[in-house]
Amino acid sequence: KNEVEQSPQNLTAQEGEFITINCSYSVGISALHWLQQHPGGGIVSLFMLSSGKKKHGRLIATINIQEKHSSLHITASHPRDSAVYICAVPHSGYALNFGKGTSLLVTP
Amino acid sequence: EPEVTQTPSHQVTQMGQEVILRCVPISNHLYFYWYRQILGQKVEFLVSFYNNEISEKSEIFDDQFSVERPDGSNFTLKIRSTKLEDSAMYFCASSEAWGEGDEQFFGPGTRLTVL
Repeated sequence: KNEVEQSPQNLTAQEGEFITINCSYSVGISALHWLQQHPGGGIVSLFMLSSGKKKHGRLIATINIQEKHSSLHITASHPRDSAVYICAVPHSGYALNFGKGTSLLVTP
Repeated sequence: EPEVTQTPSHQVTQMGQEVILRCVPISNHLYFYWYRQILGQKVEFLVSFYNNEISEKSEIFDDQFSVERPDGSNFTLKIRSTKLEDSAMYFCASSEAWGEGDEQFFGPGTRLTVL
């Protein structure tokens, strides 16, 4: 099974700060997912990446396949970014194995 | 934009009762999944489904659970005799194709409370 470790577990930031969330996994993969879970519980896919970097608005995700590590960055953070951010990797062709998530709170 | 829908949003049931959670995947998707999240814990894989059969299931998905695609649009998860520990949020997801690089789209979840 592909073990997923995220850090930090909890993160509080002031509005405008640059935020980094890290994810490490144990078994080589071809793609990694970053997801956002809203306070109400819904899950939204943010990125799926297999190499390099992807950018969407103020969100940037990077991955280093050799080091089995990925980071999610949020630039100019805003209170509406407050959510749980989850890294997930395939442990088979069909299923995703989720990390425990990083709970982010951005204060005004 | 197409989305995965789930009903009901919240289901309360008595221990030992059967429940059926319903999902409508995105219409051109071929692969379907159920995940669950016990309060305060991480999301866990239950089962994946393709071509009208289970393609993979986790150790959580025991004989009390079953899945079905009763028609061309619905995908259901049945729990035959609910236990207290089945209380969780259940998420349905679907993807267009198979493989590590295929994005899964999640429904909003059904919160199941077993009393």
